[in-house]
Amino acid sequence: GQSLEQPSEVTAVEGAIVQINCTYQTSGFYGLSWYQQHDGGAPTFLSYNGLDGLEETGRFSSFLSRSDSYGYLLLQELQMKDSASYFCAVRAGYSGAGSYQLTFGKGTKLSVIP
Amino acid sequence: EAGVVQSPRYKIIEKKQPVAFWCNPISGHNTLYWYLQNLGQGPELLIRYENEEAVDDSQLPKDRFSAERLKGVDSTLKIQPAELGDSAVYLCASSLGPSAGEQFFGPGTRLTVL
Repeated sequence: GQSLEQPSEVTAVEGAIVQINCTYQTSGFYGLSWYQQHDGGAPTFLSYNGLDGLEETGRFSSFLSRSDSYGYLLLQELQMKDSASYFCAVRAGYSGAGSYQLTFGKGTKLSVIP
Repeated sequence: EAGVVQSPRYKIIEKKQPVAFWCNPISGHNTLYWYLQNLGQGPELLIRYENEEAVDDSQLPKDRFSAERLKGVDSTLKIQPAELGDSAVYLCASSLGPSAGEQFFGPGTRLTVL
C-alpha cells in the first residue's frame, strides 16, 4: 500500500514564502507530483519530481529526496489567489498493469492573509 | 483547447435511486480516470481506462458501481442504487497515456444522496 503525510492547514502572509512538506511510504516509487485545487474547482497540475533535487516553475518550486521519502512544495511571493488546497501525489508503478498509479495525500489547505 | 468536460455539475438524489455521470476527456487523450473525492480528502482512483478497456478497476465497488467508455472517448460512471455514503465529488481526468506525468481534471460532479 501507499501512504502520504502532509500538514492539514498552513497560514501565511501575502508576499511571504511558504513550504508544504510531504512524506510518503510506497513501493514501486517513480515520482512525486503536486496539484493545486481551489474550493469547488478541479485539481490542476503544478509540478513533478522524478529525480532528487529542485524543480522551479515561476513562483513555485518542488523538491524531492528519494532516500528520505520526502518532498516539499515551495511557494514564493505569496498572492491571495494562492489560497487553495495543495496535494502531493505519489506516482508508483504496480505489477500487471504496465503503467503508473497516482495516489493523493489528503491535502494541505493554504490560507494567504493580507 | 477544451478541457475535460463533466456533467452534471451537481446532482441531488434520494438513496436507492440510480445516478449517472458523464465525462468527455481532452481530445487525443487515450487514458481516462474516474476519481472520488470526499470533503477534506484527496482524490481516490476508482477506475482507469486505456482507450475503451478498463485496465484498473480494483477500487471500484462493483456491487453498485459500473462504468463504460464506448468507442474509447466519452465515459459514463453509474451508481445503482446510491447510498448515503456515496455523497462526494466524482472527478474525471484524462492524460495522453498511462505514463504521462500530468493528468488533466474536469470540474467534477458533486453528488448529494439524501
